[in-house]
Amino acid sequence: KAGVTQTPRYLIKTRGQQVTLSCSPISGHRSVSWYQQTPGQGLQFLFEYFSETQRNKGNFPGRFSGRQFSNSRSEMNVSTLELGDSALYLCASSLVSGAHRGTGELFFGEGSRLTVL
Amino acid sequence: GENVEQHPSTLSVQEGDSAVIKCTYSDSASNYFPWYKQELGKGPQLIIDIRSNVGEKKDQRIAVTLNKTAKHFSLHITETQPEDSAVYFCAAVYGNNRLAFGKGNQVVVIP
Repeated sequence: KAGVTQTPRYLIKTRGQQVTLSCSPISGHRSVSWYQQTPGQGLQFLFEYFSETQRNKGNFPGRFSGRQFSNSRSEMNVSTLELGDSALYLCASSLVSGAHRGTGELFFGEGSRLTVL
Repeated sequence: GENVEQHPSTLSVQEGDSAVIKCTYSDSASNYFPWYKQELGKGPQLIIDIRSNVGEKKDQRIAVTLNKTAKHFSLHITETQPEDSAVYFCAAVYGNNRLAFGKGNQVVVIP
């Protein structure tokens, strides 16, 4: 069974640009959560999508957005990039909604490492 | 918001010895405490979890203990092996709404 797939794995952008990251969940998983990982802050919750609907959102500015498609694949977008957005962005899928609050196991992808220059 | 702190930030142990990582949390209503392991270049993976209605849970060489009164929980790894070298994240649910992660512990097993 294939795991969570994230693309691209690495990317470099400059300040002011925007970026779109993609996540394909494990087959059968309908929930996708996104996390930002930085050395200083650890894992920070961005948002969760379930059945194409955003179910919960973390404390990030509106520049961070996402969506989910009917096949459960998800994308997140960051507009007007800032230096501080440099991070590893992790996608996690789960069978049930709410895994980001402990209802079930999160299955993480390997992440997309974004560097903003 | 929920505050989850992990100690120590880095832990070096000799192969075969035990490793213990401790996490403290602030919300007394928290009821779910997972531990995730992140190997270099990979995403975190759930290795063990515990709910607030039990005090200890074991799975082969790893165990988690929970002290609700003191609001802390610990990961115990016995007979450490080189493949145990990784970053370990603890987490706690708070407000029945969010899983808050600690900042991670780097465990280094020295052969």
